[in-house]
Amino acid sequence: GQQLNQSPQSMFIQEGEDVSMNCTSSSIFNTWLWYKQDPGEGPVLLIALYKAGELTSNGRLTAQFGITRKDSFLNISASIPSDVGIYFCAGQLSKGGTYKYIFGTGTRLKVLA
Amino acid sequence: GAVVSQHPSRVICKSGTSVKIECRSLDFQATTMFWYRQFPKQSLMLMATSNEGSKATYEQGVEKDKFLINHASLTLSTLTVTSAHPEDSSFYICSARRVGVGYTFGSGTRLTVV
Repeated sequence: GQQLNQSPQSMFIQEGEDVSMNCTSSSIFNTWLWYKQDPGEGPVLLIALYKAGELTSNGRLTAQFGITRKDSFLNISASIPSDVGIYFCAGQLSKGGTYKYIFGTGTRLKVLA
Repeated sequence: GAVVSQHPSRVICKSGTSVKIECRSLDFQATTMFWYRQFPKQSLMLMATSNEGSKATYEQGVEKDKFLINHASLTLSTLTVTSAHPEDSSFYICSARRVGVGYTFGSGTRLTVV
């Protein structure tokens, strides 16, 4: 199946540090979303981006929709232990009136207290 | 809000049997639901798009006769894994879209085939 390239694959950081991850694709998307998934649970939406160049914040999280519409990044500022989890980007593809989400490969974040 | 309920959360079945997983939109109607499969430490892979009142659309490589999808009402889609084998063991997740809210995921179903 189709997937987006997401990096880094995993990262260990100290509590209080800022975190940055990004997602790239060879396809153009009209919507980018960022999700967090805890073990054994479904993904939870963090931020949704609908326009190229859009920069949106949700608390300590900031995400941007790349100008080319082929990439997006997510920043987490002043990380805390509960930020641990797997972060996925997702792009929405629309074709012939139908749409679907393609997910990134995920970034596994571990925060050291 | 937009709540999606998935049942069961965990199921263990014997090889060769069939398992049905339900996905319900609790406080909204969803004409379209999506089914994903997630293997350990991997991303979510879209299996199929479930359309209320019509046939599901399957992604390339997903066997429609093995993964039966029924979306008979605006609040319920079911995924039946037929003649399950150990390699079907995975985490299955559904999602639905509520206008104005976006896409919400169910809490997933961990299927183990023994």
